[in-house]
Amino acid sequence: AQSVTQLDSQVPVFEEAPVELRCNYSSSVSVYLFWYVQYPNQGLQLLLKYLSGSTLVKGINGFEAEFNKSQTSFHLRKPSVHISDTAEYFCAVSDPGRGSTLGRLYFGRGTQLTVWP
Amino acid sequence: GAVVSQHPSRVICKSGTSVKIECRSLDFQATTMFWYRQFPKQSLMLMATSNEGSKATYEQGVEKDKFLINHASLTLSTLTVTSAHPEDSSFYICSARDHGGSYNEQFFGPGTRLTVL
Repeated sequence: AQSVTQLDSQVPVFEEAPVELRCNYSSSVSVYLFWYVQYPNQGLQLLLKYLSGSTLVKGINGFEAEFNKSQTSFHLRKPSVHISDTAEYFCAVSDPGRGSTLGRLYFGRGTQLTVWP
Repeated sequence: GAVVSQHPSRVICKSGTSVKIECRSLDFQATTMFWYRQFPKQSLMLMATSNEGSKATYEQGVEKDKFLINHASLTLSTLTVTSAHPEDSSFYICSARDHGGSYNEQFFGPGTRLTVL
């Protein structure tokens, strides 16, 4: 089974400041990597994903993430945040292998990003 | 993009009653759907994997007789919480995997808030 670690449970920042949300995973094999955002009382919305190719992935709302295989990390970044970015962010890993784990997502515990004016 | 709906979005019921939650893929066929449970300020916990036309696969510790899952068609899966108790109160989220997609991405529903009195 995969393991996903989001070290920061809460990240407070001021508006227009840069932000980085950290995500590390445990796997020695190829994985798919995802970042999701969840607003209060809503489901999850995909921000971006890494499947293969370029290690720098750009997503919606100005977010980007960089896949680092040697450090098994997939940190999410945004150069300038807005108050509307306040939400819970989840990192997830998918096992692209076959069998019963195919397509299953393993989630981190989430990081609450709060943007202050 | 692919859309997944859940109904109802919010339900309040008395202890001992059963509650059915529907998960529908609106514009794609989903042979596999996933059911998650989310406690406040926590991550998503996979409860079961639902495969169209076959029995669901439950995660360890999830009572299959209490959380009945039916995936009768390629666009509909239902989760029935039988004899609900206050400890079953939670946010239930489903996701559907698009097998027509390039890598089996999961799309999430908006969630169902269950409150058992």
